[in-house]
Amino acid sequence: KNEVEQSPQNLTAQEGEFITINCSYSVGISALHWLQQHPGGGIVSLFMLSSGKKKHGRLIATINIQEKHSSLHITASHPRDSAVYICAANSAGDMRFGAGTRLTVKP
Amino acid sequence: ETGVTQTPRHLVMGMTNKKSLKCEQHLGHNAMYWYKQSAKKPLELMFVYNFKEQTENNSVPSRFSPECPNSSHLFLHLHTLQPEDSALYLCASSLSTSLSYEQYFGPGTRLTVT
Repeated sequence: KNEVEQSPQNLTAQEGEFITINCSYSVGISALHWLQQHPGGGIVSLFMLSSGKKKHGRLIATINIQEKHSSLHITASHPRDSAVYICAANSAGDMRFGAGTRLTVKP
Repeated sequence: ETGVTQTPRHLVMGMTNKKSLKCEQHLGHNAMYWYKQSAKKPLELMFVYNFKEQTENNSVPSRFSPECPNSSHLFLHLHTLQPEDSALYLCASSLSTSLSYEQYFGPGTRLTVT
């Protein structure tokens, strides 16, 4: 069993829908990262959080340390949000990655 | 643009070749990382350098040889690779490994071993 589990693996949504991607982890962490990977491979860091909630534009990330669970929300989704979203648990500098959630937003 | 560049972006090499991947950052970061992303598998950490010193080697075969001549440059030397080494190789940097600093990723080098 992977130390970082994401769900769903694949997600298709219509433009404008509210999207939630979940991440559960079993290791102790110093921070939890959400990454976005577009076709072609480049990865962009979206959030790094260790407690509570962060918001950037239409993206919101939350974390519950006690439950070892984090969620990434996208409001008013758009086709340009189509990408693979990866959750990563930073455990004392050692990053453990989830398998990723492939999101497709259709116009 | 994340401030981390990688060259080449694509590489095809035979199993007897020797090649090198290059990563460069001018973000003032002191930690640099090599990751491997194989098809349908999570990212795997390969090597970590902090202030030019290798701090982690994640049981990587010796046919992969990293080099960090200074805090801005990181190389991955490849020799006698196997077809299963075909993958996307990503470089990243962060301010330090000692705390949970955000990592900045390069665009990756897509390697095909024939």
